[in-house]
Amino acid sequence: AQSVTQPDIHITVSEGASLELRCNYSYGATPYLFWYVQSPGQGLQLLLKYFSGDTLVQGIKGFEAEFKRSQSSFNLRKPSVHWSDAAEYFCAVVISGGYNKLIFGAGTRLAVHP
Amino acid sequence: GAVVSQHPSWVICKSGTSVKIECRSLDFQATTMFWYRQFPKQSLMLMATSNEGSKATYEQGVEKDKFLINHASLTLSTLTVTSAHPEDSSFYICSARELLYEQYFGPGTRLTVT
Repeated sequence: AQSVTQPDIHITVSEGASLELRCNYSYGATPYLFWYVQSPGQGLQLLLKYFSGDTLVQGIKGFEAEFKRSQSSFNLRKPSVHWSDAAEYFCAVVISGGYNKLIFGAGTRLAVHP
Repeated sequence: GAVVSQHPSWVICKSGTSVKIECRSLDFQATTMFWYRQFPKQSLMLMATSNEGSKATYEQGVEKDKFLINHASLTLSTLTVTSAHPEDSSFYICSARELLYEQYFGPGTRLTVT
């Protein structure tokens, strides 16, 4: 069955430090992958997406992600974290066919220390 | 562009009453809308897929008689929680799809049943 795994439930980094959030997927075909961010009590904002082409994808707010087919991974990175980046981050994959549903990972909660 | 709104943002109702949540795509037409439920500190769980002019498709385990979904136009879908009970208290998020794979999310509605 298709699934998305985010191994890290909670990550804490210092402001200005680099960040990498892990995401692994299980899907037989070419995946359509997304990273979303959710601030407390808010809906989801799309950070970036991968459909095809260049495996290094640039997103908003200085985030980037790299698709690695051999590792079934789509890790999110940011070179220097800001306090405002503290939020919940969700990796998701589209299950194509039918209504092309989004399947979400469990999420990673990011805390930023000053 | 691609803005999705939800109304209300927060609602409190008494046990046994029904409450309606609206989801609107403000600047695009959405043939498909999705309804998610999110418990505190958890991921989004897809409840149902709503297509304009047809019956909603519910995920396994979701009670279709309790969560009534109507997609009356290309810009409006509604979720009605009937005979609400405290266990229905949750954060409900809708999304609307403009393109084939990308969904845009509303800000969410927090439902509290007393």
